[in-house]
Amino acid sequence: GAGVSQTPSNKVTEKGKYVELRCDPISGHTALYWYRQSLGQGPEFLIYFQGTGAADDSGLPNDRFFAVRPEGSVSTLKIQRTERGDSAVYLCASSLTHARQGARDTQYFGPGTRLTVL
Amino acid sequence: AQSVTQLDSQVPVFEEAPVELRCNYSSSVSVYLFWYVQYPNQGLQLLLKYLSGSTLVKGINGFEAEFNKSQTSFHLRKPSVHISDTAEYFCATFTGGGNKLTFGTGTQLKVEL
Repeated sequence: GAGVSQTPSNKVTEKGKYVELRCDPISGHTALYWYRQSLGQGPEFLIYFQGTGAADDSGLPNDRFFAVRPEGSVSTLKIQRTERGDSAVYLCASSLTHARQGARDTQYFGPGTRLTVL
Repeated sequence: AQSVTQLDSQVPVFEEAPVELRCNYSSSVSVYLFWYVQYPNQGLQLLLKYLSGSTLVKGINGFEAEFNKSQTSFHLRKPSVHISDTAEYFCATFTGGGNKLTFGTGTQLKVEL
């Protein structure tokens, strides 16, 4: 079956521009997560959705970052007024459930979107 | 808050040699620990995880890890590595009430001939 997919794979933009990053989770997965991985670092949590609602957005760095999941499947991470410090790989993951239930909570990651802000 | 520390940023090893990648955790509550692997230009893949029960956890690709409560460690081991094991390895734990993963800084495993 298809895994988590993310588009685009690479995005180059200029400082101050607006960008959207898309994530298609595994079919049937109710939980969806966004992480950001800066060069030489481990991924850092941004936000997660259970269904359509953002259950925890405590990792979003500021109000320039926003994410939606209107139909409980595809999610879009939106970044306004991009800054050079936003350059990173943005990873999306999904799991069957958000609850800690053994195999059902395993997070499956997409290949990421590499964002470069010039 | 729960966190993990990976002590080695790079580990070079010759093919067919054993390897251990170190991870220490800090937590006073129930512990969920994971090892993920990231191959170049690919997403993270789960190698193994510890939730409870047996302290020796076996994962994919011949890797295993041992949960050691007294040393607060969860080191990853493989008895004989292959060139194809060259990748970045991340230790991680759940943080908070949900399933947010908190990752270590990663260990780059480089397998040489």
